[in-house]
Amino acid sequence: EDQVTQSPEALRLQEGESSSLNCSYTVSGLRGLFWYRQDPGKGPEFLFTLYSAGEEKEKERLKATLTKKESFLHITAPKPEDSATYLCAVQEAGGYNKLIFGAGTRLAVHP
Amino acid sequence: DAMVIQNPRYQVTQFGKPVTLSCSQTLNHNVMYWYQQKSSQAPKLLFHYYDKDFNNEADTPDNFQSRRPNTSFCFLDIRSPGLGDAAMYLCATRTGADNGYTFGSGTRLTVV
Repeated sequence: EDQVTQSPEALRLQEGESSSLNCSYTVSGLRGLFWYRQDPGKGPEFLFTLYSAGEEKEKERLKATLTKKESFLHITAPKPEDSATYLCAVQEAGGYNKLIFGAGTRLAVHP
Repeated sequence: DAMVIQNPRYQVTQFGKPVTLSCSQTLNHNVMYWYQQKSSQAPKLLFHYYDKDFNNEADTPDNFQSRRPNTSFCFLDIRSPGLGDAAMYLCATRTGADNGYTFGSGTRLTVV
């Protein structure tokens, strides 16, 4: 059965304290791995798609990487406005491309 | 500028009273999804439409139905809401040609 597990569940950082979020996955065939940001009471906002092991993508203070079993979202020198829940999702090959989500990591960045 | 619009943002309904949530899109995407997200949990796919073709997830309760009268609109009907159906309901769209998913802001459903 396809599964996505994110860790840690919650992370508290001081402003400027870099860290990484983990997403491990089990899927029969990976078409893509997605990272989303979700603010309280809002829908997920797209950040990145990664397609193959070794791929990396960056956006401002965020960098996503992918291996055959997991993905990392690295946050460099975070600011309070980076506080949000970060969701990872895998898109299985075939099966009408549905997304299977992890439960997310709740990130709080304090000044 | 909102491209996937969900109404209402907040919905309170009584136990057992039918309720309908709506989703509209200005992107002309041919695939539309409904996800249920309970507090601190992963969004869970309920069903999706590929054009007019309806696909139900195996574990979606019969209490949940959906309608898509045209490309732009999709509705989620909950026939007899229970307390366990309180959640955020997310609508998303995708073109068949690429992998981009666009989510709406969600509807927070409360059952009293």
